[in-house]
Amino acid sequence: KQEVTQIPAALSVPEGENLVLNCSFTDSAIYNLQWFRQDPGKGLTSLLLIQSSQREQTSGRLNASLDKSSGRSTLYIAASQPGDSATYLCAVTNTGNQFYFGTGTSLTVIP
Amino acid sequence: KAGVTQTPRYLIKTRGQQVTLSCSPISGHRSVSWYQQTPGQGLQFLFEYFSETQRNKGNFPGRFSGRQFSNSRSEMNVSTLELGDSALYLCASSLEDWNTEAFFGQGTRLTVV
Repeated sequence: KQEVTQIPAALSVPEGENLVLNCSFTDSAIYNLQWFRQDPGKGLTSLLLIQSSQREQTSGRLNASLDKSSGRSTLYIAASQPGDSATYLCAVTNTGNQFYFGTGTSLTVIP
Repeated sequence: KAGVTQTPRYLIKTRGQQVTLSCSPISGHRSVSWYQQTPGQGLQFLFEYFSETQRNKGNFPGRFSGRQFSNSRSEMNVSTLELGDSALYLCASSLEDWNTEAFFGQGTRLTVV
């Protein structure tokens, strides 16, 4: 069974700092890896999708990389802002659209 | 374009009752998945529908069921509610059956008392 782990569980940084969130998964036979953010009590907002044949994706200040063979992904956030404060979740699919989620990293950006 | 719409946003039910939650996917999306989110267990997969067929089912008791209509709208039903069913239920829609981006709704917050 696919297991997804995210480290660290919580992170607090001053505004303007660059940061890296980590995600690891046990079964490398994935279709996709997707990064989401979740604000308290809200749904999930898609940030980046990396298909299994890709190595990285970029959107604005966000860059996600994927190393399928080692079962790892990182989400890099440049020049963090207070509005980036949220829980960040990574999820992988092995079949169809069944996502396996990590437990998330709770990010606080201090003004 | 409109996102994924889940109704209702909040529900309070009594133990033993049943409940039906609704999800309208993004127009043109044919895959709908359901997830349960609790503080203790995180996000857990319930089931996925594609073109009105259930393709995958998570490890939940038979009290949890769902269906998808020809317009891709989906409903999930929970019968004989238990206190432990209190959770945020999230629906995701995708364009095709794999390798495409998933978009989530705002969720339905179910409280069982």
